[in-house]
Amino acid sequence: DIQMTQSPSSLSASVGDRVTITCRASQSISSYLNWYQQKPGKAPILLIFGASSLQSGVPSRFSGSGSGTDFTLTISSLQPEDFATYYCQRSDNPPLTFGGGTKVEIK
Amino acid sequence: QVQLQESGPGLVKPSQTLSLTCTVSGDSISSGSYYWNWIRQPAGKGLEWIGRIYTSGSTNYNPSLRSRVTISVDTSKNQFSLKLSSVTAADTAVYYCARGVFGSGKGDYWGQGTLVTVSS
Repeated sequence: DIQMTQSPSSLSASVGDRVTITCRASQSISSYLNWYQQKPGKAPILLIFGASSLQSGVPSRFSGSGSGTDFTLTISSLQPEDFATYYCQRSDNPPLTFGGGTKVEIK
Repeated sequence: QVQLQESGPGLVKPSQTLSLTCTVSGDSISSGSYYWNWIRQPAGKGLEWIGRIYTSGSTNYNPSLRSRVTISVDTSKNQFSLKLSSVTAADTAVYYCARGVFGSGKGDYWGQGTLVTVSS
């Protein structure tokens, strides 16, 4: 099965910072990559699908890029409500594996 | 607005079968554009995809759970269900149901999640 590896597993950043999270697939998944945000005690929320398409209603400070095996989620200017855990997920073929998550904490 | 709601026992004994139902409102589960997922998350850990079902009845399961998992759909009730047999404490988790969009594979609507504890 294809493994999804996120890095870093956690990071500390300040409001206004540019934040980049990486997700690597062990084999090519083309552009079938989703990004989710999860806050404690809540269900994940879809941010990005198809590696770079912004889900309706998601602020434009979130962006995604990449294809094949290497993908990036970027938050251009971190806001207080963005402190959360972020997960990537392959969506090409089952199993639809998630990455291990990246926790974004306040510096 | 599409909503999903998980329901089922919050406590299951070891070796028994965990059974959960996800009720979909705001859209017909029979729409051909979607499939229906189960995902779980142990406390303090990451997300694990369990499996999915199309309204045709076709299923895909995570190989790590395949021998113990059954997902079914009841279009007349606009529901789909999860059964996980021979549970152990390692199956204790928050269980989510979610809608997947055919083609893009995006999980655009999720239930709030339900905690299932495996304990005697």
